[in-house]
Amino acid sequence: NAGVTQTPKFQVLKTGQSMTLQCAQDMNHNSMYWYRQDPGMGLRLIYYSASEGTTDKGEVPNGYNVSRLNKREFSLRLESAAPSQTSVYFCASTDNEGGNYGYTFGSGTRLTVV
Amino acid sequence: DAKTTQPNSMESNEEEPVHLPCNHSTISGTDYIHWYRQLPSQGPEYVIHGLTSNVNNRMASLAIAEDRKSSTLILHRATLRDAAVYYCIPLISNFGNEKLTFGTGTRLTIIP
Repeated sequence: NAGVTQTPKFQVLKTGQSMTLQCAQDMNHNSMYWYRQDPGMGLRLIYYSASEGTTDKGEVPNGYNVSRLNKREFSLRLESAAPSQTSVYFCASTDNEGGNYGYTFGSGTRLTVV
Repeated sequence: DAKTTQPNSMESNEEEPVHLPCNHSTISGTDYIHWYRQLPSQGPEYVIHGLTSNVNNRMASLAIAEDRKSSTLILHRATLRDAAVYYCIPLISNFGNEKLTFGTGTRLTIIP
């Protein structure tokens, strides 16, 4: 009963380095999402994928790219990390039944860019 | 987006019921009302959702006003583990492209 699995759990990057955050779900959900949460704030949507093969920008997409590798996996890439991208990143998934389904979140990746 | 208003913080005594209010006066008729909570240093956790009728599950109850402009999350007997930030989110119906939009939520403190 893994649900949504995110890797890594912690990461420290130097400014300008790149990395990919991985997310996988085992619930056969259609939709997947990437959020970031800065200290003391609510979550903000970066990108989402309503179904396999589609991706769309959320509220704060600049500096990020995503890939919906298959139905299970949705990765988030930082091509050139900046200190402003220091945050906790959460992946989520759900079945897109017009809102009549709960979302499941991963436990997060805590990223620090120095 | 539907405008949502929640108290910034609330306190409750352990083992007593807790009523967390939410106003969503601009909600549309097909938008589900979702509630999530986030315990310290964890990801958000689904609590409950509903459309028009009151809903119950093992975690909580959701009371939805008849005009749907407000709702109340009810924790029947609060425990210390219920201390968290609670988010009320009207989920804008969009033909399978729905997205949760988080506000700042209500920080619930449980007093032993």
